[in-house]
Parts: sequence; structure tokens; C-alpha cells
Amino acid sequence: GENVEQHPSTLSVQEGDSAVIKCTYSDSASNYFPWYKQELGKRPQLIIDIRSNVGEKKDQRIAVTLNKTAKHFSLHITETQPEDSAVYFCAASTGGYGNKLVFGAGTILRVKS
Amino acid sequence: GAVVSQHPSRVICKSGTSVKIECRSLDFQATTMFWYRQFPKQSLMLMATSNEGSKATYEQGVEKDKFLINHASLTLSTLTVTSAHPEDSSFYICSARDPGFGEKLFFGSGTQLSVL
Repeated sequence: GENVEQHPSTLSVQEGDSAVIKCTYSDSASNYFPWYKQELGKRPQLIIDIRSNVGEKKDQRIAVTLNKTAKHFSLHITETQPEDSAVYFCAASTGGYGNKLVFGAGTILRVKS
Repeated sequence: GAVVSQHPSRVICKSGTSVKIECRSLDFQATTMFWYRQFPKQSLMLMATSNEGSKATYEQGVEKDKFLINHASLTLSTLTVTSAHPEDSSFYICSARDPGFGEKLFFGSGTQLSVL
């Protein structure tokens, strides 16, 4: 089955700096890659996603890049703010309504002001 | 996005009792829902896929007789933790896809289960 690895486990950045979180996946059939942000005790919130037919997607300060050949994808947050502090999870799926999402281990992002 | 409602948000129970958690899709129909479990400072681990009108599909290592799933309608799935023990204490969270939003998976607010 699919295995998703995520690095780093923790990341501290200064406010205004950029943050990059990287994930690799094992199943070449995976074609949908979302990123979630989770605050303590809260539900995961989808922040951006990408499909395998696209190499990059951007939404304001957040961008995701995908290298399908190398089977890795990354989350980029620019101009970080204290409210970006949370746990971020990457995930992978073979797509489709009933197909499960497999999550990475998560990255604790701390933005220091 | 789609709204997934989950109740209760927090449960404290004695060891040996059963606890039922409800997951509802509020503004869409969901023939499939997913139940995850999350231990402190860990990732979301899929427990089972709930299928409306049929048996749930459990992930390897998840006891189907302990974690009973019922998906009796297109908007409601329930997870019952039977004979709960302290090691079952965890954050349980359901999720579903709204066909109007493609592959995006939306999560309920989660249930923090504490077994004494």
C-alpha cells in the first residue's frame, strides 16, 4: 500500500521567512496530493491540493510543487506569520470518491515573532 | 467547503463501557465516509472506510468487532467503540467527500475519547 514520508518533523522559522516541508510517496498510482493544517485539538483543514497532471499550484502565500518522476511533493509558505504556526500534514491518494487518503507523519511549524 | 458534523466532541467514560460517535454530512450525501484515529502528537491513521448500505472496510490491525461502524443513511455514519479500555483513548475523527468538491476530503471536528 501507499507510504508517505514527511520531513522535517519540526520546523522553526522567523516571522517573514519562508518555510518548506517535503514529502515522498511510494505508490506510483497516486495522483492526488493535498496538504492539511491542524491546530491543537481541531480538525485538519485543507489548505491546498494538487493533482499529478500539474507540477505546481499557488494560492497567495502557499504553493505546492510536485515531481511525479521522483515521487515527491513540497509545501512552500512564504512571508510566514505567527498564525501559520500549526501542524502540517501531507497526504496522497489514488484519487476517486471512495479512495482513502494516506497521511504523512506531520510537521510542527513554529513561526517566531 | 462541505460541512461534516461530528458528535460528541468529548467523551469521558469508564473502562468496559461502549461509546458511540456520530458523523453527519450536513449539506451533501456521502455514500462513503472515513474514520481516522489520532494519538497525541501523531498522524492521522485510517481505521476504516464506511460504506452506506454495506459493511465497512477495516484497515489491517483494526478490530472490526471492537470498532463497530454503521452507515445506515446517506448522511450519517456511526462509530461505536465497544468495551472501551484506556488504550482506546484517542482523538477519533471522521471525514467525507462532497461530490461537488471532487477529491477534497473534509473532516469532522473530532471526538476526544478518554477512558478511565
